[in-house]
Amino acid sequence: GQQVMQIPQYQHVQEGEDFTTYCNSSTTLSNIQWYKQRPGGHPVFLIQLVKSGEVKKQKRLTFQFGEAKKNSSLHITATQTTDVGTYFCSSSGTYKYIFGTGTRLKVLA
Amino acid sequence: NAGVTQTPKFQVLKTGQSMTLQCAQDMNHEYMSWYRQDPGMGLRLIHYSVGAGITDQGEVPNGYNVSRSTTEDFPLRLLSAAPSQTSVYFCASLRDPSGGYNEQFFGPGTRLTVL
Repeated sequence: GQQVMQIPQYQHVQEGEDFTTYCNSSTTLSNIQWYKQRPGGHPVFLIQLVKSGEVKKQKRLTFQFGEAKKNSSLHITATQTTDVGTYFCSSSGTYKYIFGTGTRLKVLA
Repeated sequence: NAGVTQTPKFQVLKTGQSMTLQCAQDMNHEYMSWYRQDPGMGLRLIHYSVGAGITDQGEVPNGYNVSRSTTEDFPLRLLSAAPSQTSVYFCASLRDPSGGYNEQFFGPGTRLTVL
C-alpha cells in the first residue's frame, strides 16, 4: 500500500538554528498535511498542501509540496524552544490517512 | 465546544481482558477514526467511519472492533487484550473527507498497557 517515509527521525538543534524535515513517497500524493505533536500531547493540524510546487508560510514555518507531488518539506527558520515536538506528515487515500514516522525536534537553549 | 474527548486517559489490562475505549466529538463531523501510536512508527490507522452506521478497516484492524451508532460516538473495543496492543490510542474526527480539506482533530489519547 501507499507509504510515506519521513527523515530525519531525530534532530537536535541549537536555539536560533534552522530545521528541516522531509516527507517522501514512491507514489504521487493527492495532498499532504502537516501536524505537530508536543511531548505528551496529541497531534495538532498545521497546514494542508494540494497543488504541485505549492509553498505556504506560517510565520517562521515554510511548507513545500514537490513538483511531482511525491515529496514535501517543512522548514523552520530560527528555531525557538516552543518548536520542540514531533512533526508528522500525512496524506489521504480513499478515506484512509497514512502518516509518516515523524521527526522529533529538540531545541537546545 | 469540547472537540474530541477520549476516556479513559490511562488503562492497565491483563492479557485476555476486554475493554472499550470511548471517543466522542461535538463538532458534527462525519468522519471519525482510531489510530495507535508506537515509538518510531508514527500513527497507524486501526478503523474509520465515514458516518453513522458505516465503518471500515484501516491498516492494523486485527484485535479491534468498532461501531458507529451515532454521529458523535465512535468506541473502540479490544476483544482479548494482548501485550502487543500496549500503545497510545488516538481518536480523531474530520468534517467531511470528500470536501477536500483534510484537517483531522485529535483527542488527548488513551495510554494503554497490557500486562
